[in-house]
Amino acid sequence: NAGVTQTPKFQVLKTGQSMTLQCAQDMNHNSMYWYRQDPGMGLRLIYYSASEGTTDKGEVPNGYNVSRLNKREFSLRLESAAPSQTSVYFCASNVGMNQPQHFGDGTRLSIL
Amino acid sequence: EDQVTQSPEALRLQEGESSSLNCSYTVSGLRGLFWYRQDPGKGPEFLFTLYSAGEEKEKERLKATLTKKESFLHITAPKPEDSATYLCAVQADDTGRRALTFGSGTRLQVQP
Repeated sequence: NAGVTQTPKFQVLKTGQSMTLQCAQDMNHNSMYWYRQDPGMGLRLIYYSASEGTTDKGEVPNGYNVSRLNKREFSLRLESAAPSQTSVYFCASNVGMNQPQHFGDGTRLSIL
Repeated sequence: EDQVTQSPEALRLQEGESSSLNCSYTVSGLRGLFWYRQDPGKGPEFLFTLYSAGEEKEKERLKATLTKKESFLHITAPKPEDSATYLCAVQADDTGRRALTFGSGTRLQVQP
């Protein structure tokens, strides 16, 4: 029972570097999400994909891009990392709107 | 704008000492309210969904209730393994919006 798998678990980048965070789910869910979690601010939605082939902006999309590669995989890309993007990033998925979202264990990203 | 406020920010209980966590929300039509548990270094784990005022859900020592303005997570006779951060999130009744709005959480510590 893998559920939602995120890679890598930890990453340190220098300002200006790029990287892609990977997410895969094995629950045959239609919708997938990327959140960031910062101390005292709760989880905030970056981008989501309601179904394969569609993506939409969330609350804090600036500085990020996403790709819904297929029904299982949803990646998040930082093109030019900034210290303000230091955070814990969570991927989630669900069957559809108003159904519970299931989360991965996160990627801890530090940008120096 | 949807808002979720959780109180208290932190709560320390003795084993067996029952208490309640509060989640106050402002949303333009509630589609669902979700409770999650988050352990250190892990992603949020789904606990309950509540859809309408008056609804209650129970799981082991936890009971969630919902009114038109707030939700409570009651913890009866807690054990040390109940120590975690508890997150509340709401989804608005708007077909164009799939985001959950999360509160900042309540950190619960149960001492033996």
